[in-house]
Amino acid sequence: GQQVMQIPQYQHVQEGEDFTTYCNSSTTLSNIQWYKQRPGGHPVFLIQLVKSGEVKKQKRLTFQFGEAKKNSSLHITATQTTDVGTYFCAGHGNKLVFGAGTILRVKS
Amino acid sequence: GAGVSQTPSNKVTEKGKYVELRCDPISGHTALYWYRQSLGQGPEFLIYFQGTGAADDSGLPNDRFFAVRPEGSVSTLKIQRTERGDSAVYLCASSWAGANYNEQFFGPGTRLTVL
Repeated sequence: GQQVMQIPQYQHVQEGEDFTTYCNSSTTLSNIQWYKQRPGGHPVFLIQLVKSGEVKKQKRLTFQFGEAKKNSSLHITATQTTDVGTYFCAGHGNKLVFGAGTILRVKS
Repeated sequence: GAGVSQTPSNKVTEKGKYVELRCDPISGHTALYWYRQSLGQGPEFLIYFQGTGAADDSGLPNDRFFAVRPEGSVSTLKIQRTERGDSAVYLCASSWAGANYNEQFFGPGTRLTVL
């Protein structure tokens, strides 16, 4: 069945450093979504990518969808303490399949 | 307006008991999803409703799990003969019509503990 792998599992950065999480699907995706879950909270939608090679930016966040529509990345420039949380990618093939998430911790 | 709400927020039950978890989606959202999230994992898809009908129930782990959405709004996830392995946070999400191509709005979840 469709599988979505996400790396790294965990990253601890100094405030101001950059952060990247990577997502890989076992199958070609129709689209990919990214969610953020704060500790104790629920997933909150960040963005959806649909087109091959698409790049979208939200302030310090840059999202990319691979040319083959099987991988994606989220890059945060100059992390802040408010960026703390778990970032999930979710790939849509037949249904939305979430990766295991990358936990981001930021030291101030 | 209000977001997705779920009740109860916490449910502790004994092995073998029956539980019902409720989800109130955002008004006007025709698509409703149930997920299960275990510690350190991403949400795991269980079932998806479009209106009153279950469009995809392939994620339900076995026949102890059942979900309904009789009027196309509120949904109830029902678990029979609960097992300790059912312990998890059960998340509900809703979205506008258009199946899985839309942003999903998640509720706060119900934390189920089976003793």
